[in-house]
Amino acid sequence: GAVVSQHPSWVICKSGTSVKIECRSLDFQATTMFWYRQFPKQSLMLMATSNEGSKATYEQGVEKDKFLINHASLTLSTLTVTSAHPEDSSFYICSALGLAERGQETQYFGPGTRLLVL
Amino acid sequence: DQQVKQNSPSLSVQEGRISILNCDYTNSMFDYFLWYKKYPAEGPTFLISISSIKDKNEDGRFTVFLNKSAKHLSLHIVPSQPGDSAVYFCAASVGAGSYQLTFGKGTKLSVIP
Repeated sequence: GAVVSQHPSWVICKSGTSVKIECRSLDFQATTMFWYRQFPKQSLMLMATSNEGSKATYEQGVEKDKFLINHASLTLSTLTVTSAHPEDSSFYICSALGLAERGQETQYFGPGTRLLVL
Repeated sequence: DQQVKQNSPSLSVQEGRISILNCDYTNSMFDYFLWYKKYPAEGPTFLISISSIKDKNEDGRFTVFLNKSAKHLSLHIVPSQPGDSAVYFCAASVGAGSYQLTFGKGTKLSVIP
């Protein structure tokens, strides 16, 4: 159980276009989802916390108008990179907060989306 | 400034031996620590966690030790198996709700058959 999917797994786009990444919890409901970004040989950096039915909370330094997050249902959150530029090229990973076997809250991660902006 | 540090980018261990992955943190507010395992092209998978009220937590072949005074934790895998070869991330948070995780850069473990 506790599977999180992401779509697409990779995307190449031209500079200036917008890209939407979907994150789905497949077998559980998640009121809270998280979006991370990982640059090569760096740690996962939390971008924003997404709560179902409310506005996302962005980490310091993350532009909310550039990275639009929508968490419209208990199983789906989307991240839209608007007017993407080459410096936005990165590995984007989402996670969903669920309950582990021992009842503790745990983040379950999706497989990630690799974005390359030309 | 990295609040969670994994100073060894890689580690090689013989199959059957013990693997010890280390993690240091600087933020004394952290009170919940997790280890994640990540295979290439996949998202991190939760392995084991520990609360600051404990100094050890064990789950099968995996044991996490926490030394609060040294702000240091370690993950022991024994015996190591080739399938354990992956990147291991240490993460920390304030509170046990797994919110606001701060990750280290990861350590790539290679278990040699």
